[in-house]
Amino acid sequence: DIQMTQSPSSLSASVGDRVTISCRPSQNIRSYLTWYQHKPGSAPKLLISAASSLQSGVPTRFSGSGSGTDFTLTISSLQPEDFATYYCQQSFSLPFTFGPGTKVDIK
Amino acid sequence: QVQLQESGPGLVKPSETLSLNCSVSGDSISGYWSWIRQPAGKRLEWIGRVDTSGRTDYNPSLRSRLTMSVDTSRNQFSLRLTSATAADTAVYYCARGSGSRPFDYWGQGILITVS
Repeated sequence: DIQMTQSPSSLSASVGDRVTISCRPSQNIRSYLTWYQHKPGSAPKLLISAASSLQSGVPTRFSGSGSGTDFTLTISSLQPEDFATYYCQQSFSLPFTFGPGTKVDIK
Repeated sequence: QVQLQESGPGLVKPSETLSLNCSVSGDSISGYWSWIRQPAGKRLEWIGRVDTSGRTDYNPSLRSRLTMSVDTSRNQFSLRLTSATAADTAVYYCARGSGSRPFDYWGQGILITVS
């Protein structure tokens, strides 16, 4: 199985801050990387697929980059509704695997 | 707007079968549909996927105990996990997508406790 790591595991930030989250798979997954946002009690929300393709309706302050074994999710200016846990997921090979999550909370 | 809703017993006894259904509204049930779970304090785990032709792919860690199926007439798909243990306690989500393609719609999740 492809192991996924994320860093940091959690971070505290203020509204307006720029936030970056790293995701590293244990092997080259080309651009087969998806990002999700998850708030407690809610369904996870698809943000970005294919490493950098923003889903329809997702604010443009979210962006994704990277390929191979190094990926980044960036929130350019954190908004109150962005406080959540963010997960990456590889779609390169079965079984699909997720990162452990990065919890973004209010400083 | 596509909506998914999981249903099932909240409590399952050890060694019994965990059965869940996912009802889909706002879309005809075509293509691939997946189950994903999250034990408390742990990461999301992809359980498996089923398509409307009945093709399945399962996580090898669960394959020997797992069956997924689709009922197109009722616009729902289901999961059966036999020989449940405490390690199967988790929030279970159903989602549209194969995993190769992203999971673009998810259910709210249902907490299943094995005890």
